Amino acid sequence: QVQLVQSGAEVKQPGASVKISCKSSENIFTPYAMHWVRQAPGQRLEWMGWINFGNAKTKYSQNFQGRVTFTRDTAATTGYMDLSSLRSEDTAIYYCARWRTGEFDYWGQGTLVTVSS
Amino acid sequence: QSALTQPASVSGSAGQSITISCTGTTSDVGGYNLVSWYQLHPGKAPKLMIYEGTKRPSGVSDRFSGSKSGNTASLTISGLQADDEGDYYCCSYAGSGTVIFGGGTQLTVL
Repeated sequence: QVQLVQSGAEVKQPGASVKISCKSSENIFTPYAMHWVRQAPGQRLEWMGWINFGNAKTKYSQNFQGRVTFTRDTAATTGYMDLSSLRSEDTAIYYCARWRTGEFDYWGQGTLVTVSS
Repeated sequence: QSALTQPASVSGSAGQSITISCTGTTSDVGGYNLVSWYQLHPGKAPKLMIYEGTKRPSGVSDRFSGSKSGNTASLTISGLQADDEGDYYCCSYAGSGTVIFGGGTQLTVL
């Protein structure tokens, strides 16, 4: 059974950065993309963007352009999401997921990021 | 568009059927056959229930079905069961490599 295992919860101060990892138990991301999705408390799912594991091409949602960076380590089958200039509104559960051919078929367990002074 | 439009909540009695709608535009729901539906339970990862508008992944009960007409997709759950309770989100490809989610619908089984 394929598993996407994300790094643990983080508490950050406003203005700081956070980096979350997402490791796949199998190489399921080539040639697909790893997407990142977040859900703030009481809010809807929000799409953040993706990274293609094969060529490292990225696409970012306009809502996060300039603040988010996706990277990957193909040998380690691990993807990373780096979000900078954190503010309280970034408090959320962050998920990685595989986009197959038009759907998210595998999801990580989620990483809670709390932004608080 | 910030999000696809879903009803905030729906409810039904055990054994009944409910339908959740998801309305978008010709740039997303209406423009691609790439609508998917996810079930969310607190503390668990989202679960894919329907993809490509009407297809069910292996392991998902056939009580779940999807459809689409124009710019509106729908998820129908028949024979409601207690563990169907949770939040349901639609999702659509929106062109140029972007994805959009619905606002989410809270399902209550009475």
